Amino acid sequence: QVQLQESGPGLVKPSETLSLTCTVSGGSISSYYWSWIRQPAGKGLEWIGRIYTSGSTNYNPSLKSRVTMSVDTSKNQFSLKLSSVTAADTAVYYCARENSSGGTDYWGQGTLVTVSS
Amino acid sequence: EIVMTQSPATLSVSPGERATLSCRASQSVSSNLAWYQQKPGQAPRLLIYGASTRATGIPARFSGSGSGTEFTLTISSLQSEDFAVYYCQQYNNWPLITFGQGTRLEIK
Repeated sequence: QVQLQESGPGLVKPSETLSLTCTVSGGSISSYYWSWIRQPAGKGLEWIGRIYTSGSTNYNPSLKSRVTMSVDTSKNQFSLKLSSVTAADTAVYYCARENSSGGTDYWGQGTLVTVSS
Repeated sequence: EIVMTQSPATLSVSPGERATLSCRASQSVSSNLAWYQQKPGQAPRLLIYGASTRATGIPARFSGSGSGTEFTLTISSLQSEDFAVYYCQQYNNWPLITFGQGTRLEIK
């Protein structure tokens, strides 16, 4: 059973960089697309972007200038960096796996990141 | 960007009854449409992909239909554990993914 676990600081100061890592267990990270999705409290889901195990990336145009994703296949991990954060970036951040047949089939439990001084 | 619009925002249904949730795309997404269920404090759970294929372990009371711009998620006989928020998601507009704003299914 594939499991995903997000890790990283729960509090980030405005203008700084949010950094999260997702560790995949119970299966290989290879040959899948891996996504980051966020959800502000009481609101809907926003796709941030994805990375393939080759390192190729796709980002949401609304966040593209601030997002960087990377992958470390040796550690079965992938990461998210979001720069110049503001209070509007406060949300639960999920890492997830995209099903090759469609949809996103495995999700981490989510981690709350609060942007505040 | 493809905009996904879900209706209604809130649906009140009694246990044992049928629930019908709608999702409309601003342009055709073919059958590249997924549905998710989210309960408070939990991550979303994939229910349906390819507009009508149930994900692994999803009960048969959940069914999806539609193609192009109009989609429906039907829950045939509501169980207590089905009351949650439901999201549709399009993945046709590769590489971009967009979600609907959600429908809250509540107990009547």
